[in-house]
Amino acid sequence: AQSVAQPEDQVNVAEGNPLTVKCTYSVSGNPYLFWYVQYPNRGLQFLLKYITGDNLVKGSYGFEAEFNKSQTSFHLKKPSALVSDSALYFCAVRDRYSSGSARQLTFGSGTQLTVLP
Amino acid sequence: EPEVTQTPSHQVTQMGQEVILRCVPISNHLYFYWYRQILGQKVEFLVSFYNNEISEKSEIFDDQFSVERPDGSNFTLKIRSTKLEDSAMYFCAGDLSGLSTDTQYFGPGTRLTVL
Repeated sequence: AQSVAQPEDQVNVAEGNPLTVKCTYSVSGNPYLFWYVQYPNRGLQFLLKYITGDNLVKGSYGFEAEFNKSQTSFHLKKPSALVSDSALYFCAVRDRYSSGSARQLTFGSGTQLTVLP
Repeated sequence: EPEVTQTPSHQVTQMGQEVILRCVPISNHLYFYWYRQILGQKVEFLVSFYNNEISEKSEIFDDQFSVERPDGSNFTLKIRSTKLEDSAMYFCAGDLSGLSTDTQYFGPGTRLTVL
């Protein structure tokens, strides 16, 4: 069975500093990995995904994520954090082997990012 | 940019009552999903739906739950007899192809409170 772990419930970073939100995964076969962000009273917004190819994936709002197969990780990064980046971040994996025609996402537990001014 | 919409944003109901949560997916999406998030817990898959049929469902999606797409635009989740443990945020999502490489787009959620 596939699973995703986000080891940090909370990450605090000062504005202007680089940020990293960690994610590790466990799947059978090649993973399809996603990052979503949730602002208060809003739905899950798609940030970026890794399907294949370049291990560094660039997404919305200046975020990027690095896929590392040997460490089974997909950490979210941003070179310079903004106060407006403060939100709840979810890593997710989509199973390529499940039966059925519409494949579900499996989410991590989420990491609350707080960027301090 | 097209968005997934959900109504109501907050639903309060008494235990044992029926509730219907509504979603309007993005118009060109063909695959639809419901997820839920109990407060402080992970987002969990409930059910996927394609071509007017359930494609996959989780263990959570028991006989108390049902889904339908009654008019080609709305996608609904019905809970026949709500329990206290059904209190959660319910998210609707959709995508074009249902493939593992495709991106699911989510609505803002409906917060269900069962008293």
